[in-house]
Amino acid sequence: EVQLLESGGGLVQPGGSLRLSCAASGFTFNNYAMTWVRQAPGKGLEWVSTISGSGGSTYTADSVKGRFTISRDNSKNTLYLQMNSLRADDTALYYCAKGLHLWVFDYWGQGTLVTVSS
Amino acid sequence: EMVMTQSPATLSVSPGERATLSCRASQSVSTNLAWYQQKPGQAPRLLIYDASTRATGIPAWFSGSGSETEFTLTISSLQSEDFAVYYCQQYNNWPLTFGPGTKVDIK
Repeated sequence: EVQLLESGGGLVQPGGSLRLSCAASGFTFNNYAMTWVRQAPGKGLEWVSTISGSGGSTYTADSVKGRFTISRDNSKNTLYLQMNSLRADDTALYYCAKGLHLWVFDYWGQGTLVTVSS
Repeated sequence: EMVMTQSPATLSVSPGERATLSCRASQSVSTNLAWYQQKPGQAPRLLIYDASTRATGIPAWFSGSGSETEFTLTISSLQSEDFAVYYCQQYNNWPLTFGPGTKVDIK
């Protein structure tokens, strides 16, 4: 059974940093692209960043480019999102999702909440 | 950036009735379109990809159609568990973009 468990969210001040993690199990992690998608409270879904199975390719939304970095450790079956220079509009529930193929997401975690506020 | 629009914003349907949800892309996405269902307090669930292919475990009363800029998700006979928000997502162009969602609620 595929399981994705996010962690690392919390309350942070504007300009601060957080690192999100997503522990994966139930599939061969390094065979699949992984993605972060966020959802602001009461709003829709926003794609944030995708990383290929090997980690050799990454893709990031302009809204977070230069501030957020996606990475993975295939030896630990874990996906990461390093978030720097956080802003109030980064407040959201952050989901990690497994790629059916690179751009379609067939399994999602339950999300970790990031709140940026002073 | 590819803009996805969905209509209607809210669709009120009685159980057992048919629901037809629309998704439009600002330019052609070929058939590189997926549909997701999200229930309150839950993560999204993949329903359809490549415009018309049902994901694993998705019941046959869900179907997708369309190409280029116009897409439809049809729920042929709404079950109680189908009341949710539905999002379309294009993956033909960067950045990947989602529509704003259609909420299907009980009439």
